[in-house]
Amino acid sequence: QKEVEQNSGPLSVPEGAIASLNCTYSDRVSQSFFWYRQYSGKSPELIMSIYSNGDKEDGRFTAQLNKASQYVSLLIRDSQPSDSATYLCAVNTGNTGKLIFGQGTTLQVKP
Amino acid sequence: NAGVTQTPKFQVLKTGQSMTLQCAQDMNHNSMYWYRQDPGMGLRLIYYSASEGTTDKGEVPNGYNVSRLNKREFSLRLESAAPSQTSVYFCASGDRDRSYSPLHFGNGTRLTVT
Repeated sequence: QKEVEQNSGPLSVPEGAIASLNCTYSDRVSQSFFWYRQYSGKSPELIMSIYSNGDKEDGRFTAQLNKASQYVSLLIRDSQPSDSATYLCAVNTGNTGKLIFGQGTTLQVKP
Repeated sequence: NAGVTQTPKFQVLKTGQSMTLQCAQDMNHNSMYWYRQDPGMGLRLIYYSASEGTTDKGEVPNGYNVSRLNKREFSLRLESAAPSQTSVYFCASGDRDRSYSPLHFGNGTRLTVT
């Protein structure tokens, strides 16, 4: 079993809709969770971080964490074509600071 | 404030050639990392340096060596390149002393081995 799993997609949503991206992880001691956005040919950029159970909102983005279910998700409200990218889920599992990444979910927002 | 800087941006090698990828950060971070990214594989950790003077293997270290030259610089060396090392390489840095610190990435090096 991979340590961090995401559906590779592509996930296709119409402009203005809510996009829901999901991620599961295997290490129960994981403490911090991150969502990165990566445009084609570019480097990953951090868009959300979450450390406690529940929801965290930042503009059109909401991260949700459920440690009991080992599940973290990212909701993008009012999706825009500029949101079309690959979204990487990353989990910090120790005190070395290293992140374990899922394979990424490709999001396509159709105008 | 440049963040994380990687050189070169592109490189083509023949099988058996060697090269060093350079990485420098100006954010005063303790920890630095080298990842590779292949289609459909996400980011896989090659080596990391949790602090100056230490290095450790990640998930896919075979065929690579690293040097943490000082707090700012962390290089990745391919001693004898193989076609399987064709990939995009990302350097990253983070503040390990902050429990919830994200990683900051460089712009990547696109390496092709023929």
